[in-house]
Amino acid sequence: DSGVTQTPKHLITATGQRVTLRCSPRSGDLSVYWYQQSLDQGLQFLIQYYNGEERAKGNILERFSAQQFPDLHSELNLSSLELGDSALYFCASSPLAGNTGELFFGEGSRLTVL
Amino acid sequence: QQQVKQSPQSLIVQKGGISIINCAYENTAFDYFPWYQQFPGKGPALLIAIRPDVSEKKEGRFTISFNKSAKQFSLHIMDSQPGDSATYFCAASRGNFGNEKLTFGTGTRLTIIP
Repeated sequence: DSGVTQTPKHLITATGQRVTLRCSPRSGDLSVYWYQQSLDQGLQFLIQYYNGEERAKGNILERFSAQQFPDLHSELNLSSLELGDSALYFCASSPLAGNTGELFFGEGSRLTVL
Repeated sequence: QQQVKQSPQSLIVQKGGISIINCAYENTAFDYFPWYQQFPGKGPALLIAIRPDVSEKKEGRFTISFNKSAKQFSLHIMDSQPGDSATYFCAASRGNFGNEKLTFGTGTRLTIIP
């Protein structure tokens, strides 16, 4: 158990809809990362928050947004969903702001867009 | 732009054999190279990591070999066991001074057969 909690585990929705994925990091970790995992693309970095502030942005679509709240949990909002957004979305946390050191991943939220 | 190329995509090894997974990177500024292991239904978990000041790092049956001049690194699993069957991801990042987060390879699905 990594200590990172993601909800929901599974989500099925229709094209055009909006969903919110939630992540609770390990106790004490200030950084939260979001990754998208699809079959042919591996793990793609979306965005990082550190102590409530956006730290780095990766290949995140404009239809997607995220935030980290004062209690350090984070939410990833996906809107105007398309079939191609179907994927596993992972949240990871670490105590550091930088790019090295271990990331602790949750078990993911599997999104299916029909 | 894929900055970390991983091969093979899948690998079948007999129990007791050596499993070898290779990765190549493009960005010479990368200075942290971890390997993550992912079991079905779980998030990736750090297995072993290396920095470019050493050419090899060993932890139990797992060894990373690093070739800085060739911009390649590989994971060797000695005496492979059925419990090693998982997907393995190599990754790379650029220390604490850049915004490039961990860039993952596309993964290798390893199956150890009895």
